Amino acid sequence: EIVLTQSPGTLSLSPGERATLPCRASQSVSSGYLAWYQQKPGQAPRLLIYGASSRATGIPDRFSGSGSGTDFTLTISRLEPEDCAVYYCHQSGNSPYTFGQGTKLEIK
Amino acid sequence: EVQLLESGGGLVQPGGSLRLSCTVSGFIFSTYSMNWVRQAPGKGLEWVSYINSGSGTTYYADSVKGRFTISRDNPKNSLYLHMNSLRAEDTAVYYCVRDGLNFDYWGQGTLVTVSS
Repeated sequence: EIVLTQSPGTLSLSPGERATLPCRASQSVSSGYLAWYQQKPGQAPRLLIYGASSRATGIPDRFSGSGSGTDFTLTISRLEPEDCAVYYCHQSGNSPYTFGQGTKLEIK
Repeated sequence: EVQLLESGGGLVQPGGSLRLSCTVSGFIFSTYSMNWVRQAPGKGLEWVSYINSGSGTTYYADSVKGRFTISRDNPKNSLYLHMNSLRAEDTAVYYCVRDGLNFDYWGQGTLVTVSS
């Protein structure tokens, strides 16, 4: 099983700042199968980034993904209050598919 | 517009059974693989099961293997999760998820509570 580790568990930043959310895999993940999701309270997760670096439909260009192998990063430039959410990385290249435990992003 | 609507959740006693359904619209269901993902109250996301477009391939998380069965009816645009021998730790919101560009569309979820 590929374990995805997201640290820190909580990140607190101010509007306009840049957020860098890392995701480390216990073994190599094919970039085509690494995705990032945003989940706000009471809502279903929403796909932000697929294939490690491609933005999903309707996602602002403030959101970007990068990385390969075992190290991936979600970057949110110019934070806005509505970016307050939990962010999960996910791999679907090898069964069992797995999610990171999530990083909660707080906007001060 | 892509839509996924789950149903069938509810309160069930430990050891009981439940069948979840997901009815989809807005895309050609028969051409997509599908998944179930769950989220226990206050916890993170856990992938549960996968089925390919033609039902020939299925995968399960170890935590549900042998107890849950995923299936689909392509003419009815429906995905199912048959859950047996339910345990307290199966309590969660269960999401139906399309497997397109990674997990690209999610339903709103249906809550399953396993309790006596």
